[in-house]
Amino acid sequence: NAGVMQNPRHLVRRRGQEARLRCSPMKGHSHVYWYRQLPEEGLKFMVYLQKENIIDESGMPKERFSAEFPKEGPSILRIQQVVRGDSAAYFCASSPRRAQETQYFGPGTRLLVL
Amino acid sequence: AQKVTQAQTEISVVEKEDVTLDCVYETRDTTYYLFWYKQPPSGELVFLIRRNSFDEQNEISGRYSWNFQKSTSSFNFTITASQVVDSAVYFCALPSYNTDKLIFGTGTRLQVFP
Repeated sequence: NAGVMQNPRHLVRRRGQEARLRCSPMKGHSHVYWYRQLPEEGLKFMVYLQKENIIDESGMPKERFSAEFPKEGPSILRIQQVVRGDSAAYFCASSPRRAQETQYFGPGTRLLVL
Repeated sequence: AQKVTQAQTEISVVEKEDVTLDCVYETRDTTYYLFWYKQPPSGELVFLIRRNSFDEQNEISGRYSWNFQKSTSSFNFTITASQVVDSAVYFCALPSYNTDKLIFGTGTRLQVFP
């Protein structure tokens, strides 16, 4: 009964490169959430997806960031042309359905932009 | 607007002491859930509890207990007989109004010394 899987756990990119973060939800979970944690801060919501649909992207920066959750395969958070300010821990969470169900978090991806 | 306040930035105790972490929230919802998560030094987020606003009974799980007071909008977390392994950052969270995204407090860093 695997939990939420995220890879890679650590990612180093140079400014201007692309970062792709993957998230596989828990078995039976069809709702995926992405959060960002800047150093020494709490978590901030970025985007909420169901299979093939973006439900809420109100926390996602308008430029350079995109997310998807295809019918098959993991959810992907993509950051284009990374800048130093993108350095953070990115957490994915999943839940079985809506209505304020518990969100179970993955181990996070630590992104470092040089 | 939804808001979670964890006024204690950092708490240090000696092993076996009891410690209470405070959480105060604001919400427009009439029914809602509240959550606590633990983030140990290894960095992952561990779910601790989900509490329905209908149920004001205190909850106990081993050395952990939670005191929910709707009248004061507080959901405090007590660790009895603390242990070094309890050292972590603890986050209180609340779903945003009429959505499923979680609003996190800024966290309380607990250090338990031997």
